[in-house]
Amino acid sequence: EADIYQTPRYLVIGTGKKITLECSQTMGHDKMYWYQQDPGMELHLIHYSYGVNSTEKGDLSSESTVSRIRTEHFPLTLESARPSHTSQYLCASSPRTSSYNEQFFGPGTRLTVL
Amino acid sequence: GENVEQHPSTLSVQEGDSAVIKCTYSDSASNYFPWYKQELGKGPQLIIDIRSNVGEKKDQRIAVTLNKTAKHFSLHITETQPEDSAVYFCAASRGVGGSQGNLIFGKGTKLSVKP
Repeated sequence: EADIYQTPRYLVIGTGKKITLECSQTMGHDKMYWYQQDPGMELHLIHYSYGVNSTEKGDLSSESTVSRIRTEHFPLTLESARPSHTSQYLCASSPRTSSYNEQFFGPGTRLTVL
Repeated sequence: GENVEQHPSTLSVQEGDSAVIKCTYSDSASNYFPWYKQELGKGPQLIIDIRSNVGEKKDQRIAVTLNKTAKHFSLHITETQPEDSAVYFCAASRGVGGSQGNLIFGKGTKLSVKP
């Protein structure tokens, strides 16, 4: 099983609050990703990173921001949470930047914004 | 844009029967095709993958086939068991451009195996 961790696992928060979802991996992987998973289970890439100090926007536009100060850590922040942000957020990592990216997923954070 | 289509969206089989999930992709430069299994309350887990230079790969009860000409790939599960019940995702790698190597996921198939 992959060593990738997400905290918290569940978060219920009021509108307007600032939140940070944590993601850490102990595998030394260069590339990391954030996905948003909707109730229909479809996975949407919202952010990714090639390595330290690298962040890129994914396929789905998101109001969240990410940072990559350390290789093992890739937190996602929402400055002002809204009900439309309610979703499952999945973090993943992969060991190389070329093709054959085997992505390893964390357990996810289920966010509910009231 | 590039996409991956996955069928069916739901699949119900009797224990012991086989299950087949099919995907098609549009990016002719895709060269990596993983399959993920997601159980309730968990993140997706890689169960098998295939690379473009291989036509078929098998791991115990799970097999994947790839037809590059037709841009089709399929997951085959034989002798299904109740613990195979989950959502399965296919994916294809992006072949070119700045996001090369990123995965494009299908919309998922919810498999139910009835005892």
